[in-house]
Amino acid sequence: AQSVTQLGSHVSVSEGALVLLRCNYSSSVPPYLFWYVQYPNQGLQLLLKYTTGATLVKGINGFEAEFKKSETSFHLTKPSAHMSDAAEYFCAVINENGNKLVFGAGTILRVKS
Amino acid sequence: DTGVSQDPRHKITKRGQNVTFRCDPISEHNRLYWYRQTLGQGPEFLTYFQNEAQLEKSRLLSDRFSAERPKGSFSTLEIQRTEQGDSAMYLCASSFRQGSSGNTIYFGEGSWLTVV
Repeated sequence: AQSVTQLGSHVSVSEGALVLLRCNYSSSVPPYLFWYVQYPNQGLQLLLKYTTGATLVKGINGFEAEFKKSETSFHLTKPSAHMSDAAEYFCAVINENGNKLVFGAGTILRVKS
Repeated sequence: DTGVSQDPRHKITKRGQNVTFRCDPISEHNRLYWYRQTLGQGPEFLTYFQNEAQLEKSRLLSDRFSAERPKGSFSTLEIQRTEQGDSAMYLCASSFRQGSSGNTIYFGEGSWLTVV
């Protein structure tokens, strides 16, 4: 069965610093991987996804993620954090039947001024 | 396209009462999902529909929970005899699935349930 592990439930960075949110997955089939962002009291917004092809995926708001099969990782990065990036971020993998998303526990990103 | 919309956004109910949430998916999306999210956790899958057919239900979905999608468009999630443990955000999502493609799932704003 598919599963996702997000290392670090809380990450704190200074404004302008690099953002790195870690995600490792377990999948018995080639994975489809996603990052979603959730602002307080709101639903989930899709940041980016990997299905096939280029392993470096660019998303909205300057975020990108790289699929590394050998490391079973899909870490999310942004070169320069902005205050508006403060939110909770979820990594997810679609299950082998493609019928549902399996989410990690989430990482809360705090951006300090 | 308008996004996935959910109603109500917030519901406070007394223990033992029934509640119903409605979800309107993105137009022409054939798949509709319900997830539950509690504080500090990622969303957990509850059930999904392909058109009007309910194809999978999680063990989390006890017999007090029922979901319908009668015409393959909007869906309702009803919780009967609510318990305090039902307090959570209920997320609806939709996607267009054709064959093996169409795996992007779009979420609504969620419906918060507080059982007192």
